[in-house]
Amino acid sequence: ILNVEQSPQSLHVQEGDSTNFTCSFPSSNFYALHWYRWETAKSPEALFVMTLNGDEKKKGRISATLNTKEGYSYLYIKGSQPEDSATYLCAFSETGANNLFFGTGTRLTVIP
Amino acid sequence: DSGVTQTPKHLITATGQRVTLRCSPRSGDLSVYWYQQSLDQGLQFLIQYYNGEERAKGNILERFSAQQFPDLHSELNLSSLELGDSALYFCASSVQGGVNEQFFGPGTRLTVL
Repeated sequence: ILNVEQSPQSLHVQEGDSTNFTCSFPSSNFYALHWYRWETAKSPEALFVMTLNGDEKKKGRISATLNTKEGYSYLYIKGSQPEDSATYLCAFSETGANNLFFGTGTRLTVIP
Repeated sequence: DSGVTQTPKHLITATGQRVTLRCSPRSGDLSVYWYQQSLDQGLQFLIQYYNGEERAKGNILERFSAQQFPDLHSELNLSSLELGDSALYFCASSVQGGVNEQFFGPGTRLTVL
């Protein structure tokens, strides 16, 4: 089992604040890093898939960066809104495998 | 709506019993993955099928088995159920595998009493 760690475990921010979370993963045999957004009572929804060192992806107010050499990825949310409240999961896949190893997630609560 | 369907939504059963969870992937997706989420744990990969064949195996117990049928739907069979098998079971599908994003179904919540 590969170790994928996310921090912090949970986070409360005020509406309008910007925030970021960290995902750490093994730097050897890297293939891809996925970010998912998981709202309560729904299923995880893909945000980004990143494969190249230095990759940066953006979707609206959410962006992510990737450092495969040191084994981490950051997810940023600019100007948090209450609808951003969810658990954000990262998942790592290694070369030659399609299955994902998930972190336990960062639970974000945006307070209006 | 991801396009992945899972049935049933909820399942309550007793220890020692056997259940079958069903998953229909998105139209055109050939790969199906099964994940288990127990209390306070992250999503754990169980098994992957690609176009009817087993492709990868994760932390799947010997009491559990799965298959993918010619129409690409998949079933996860859980037998000799124990209390610790109570969890949310997700199915996901992707076009092939690799870096393709996986689309998750709504999950089946299994409660073993």
